[in-house]
Amino acid sequence: AQRVTQPEKLLSVFKGAPVELKCNYSYSGSPELFWYVQYSRQRLQLLLRHISRESIKGFTADLNKGETSFHLKKPFAQEEDSAMYYCALSGQGGFQKLVFGTGTRLLVSP
Amino acid sequence: DGGITQSPKYLFRKEGQNVTLSCEQNLNHDAMYWYRQDPGQGLRLIYYSQIVNDFQKGDIAEGYSVSREKKESFPLTVTSAQKNPTAFYLCASEGTGNQPQHFGDGTRLSIL
Repeated sequence: AQRVTQPEKLLSVFKGAPVELKCNYSYSGSPELFWYVQYSRQRLQLLLRHISRESIKGFTADLNKGETSFHLKKPFAQEEDSAMYYCALSGQGGFQKLVFGTGTRLLVSP
Repeated sequence: DGGITQSPKYLFRKEGQNVTLSCEQNLNHDAMYWYRQDPGQGLRLIYYSQIVNDFQKGDIAEGYSVSREKKESFPLTVTSAQKNPTAFYLCASEGTGNQPQHFGDGTRLSIL
């Protein structure tokens, strides 16, 4: 079965602290992994995807197939990073259904 | 990202009433999706369409219906058979070439 697990509902850190939002998945095959973010009063938008291997707003995520994880990391959190973060997976190729995790709310305090 | 427009922003439904949520996109995307977002449950797929005049059920299609008569439009009807319709509904679209999904602002449906 396809499943995405985000174990933390809320992650609260201070500005400048490192951040790691956890994401584990189960999928039979080779999935594509995504992180979507929803800032206050804004629509859900793509933050990054594993095939791009890029850093967006200082965030990175590495796909670990052995641990079936795709944790989102940032070395120094900023207040503007406060948002709801969703990990998602899909199959590869063509139009694929996204399976979302339950989301983690990141709160960065000054 | 004004490419996807959902309306209305808020909608109220009476018992036994069908209501239709609108989703329009001007991104020339072939695929469109409807998700339901509940607190603590993330997003769950209701219906999706990869091409005009064709659509498939998602994980929670019961009590919902859709149509895809035009490429730009993918309306969702919440029927009276949906016993727990109160939720936030998100529409998304996706272009070809391994593009990510783009989301609308959502419609919040409540029961009177």
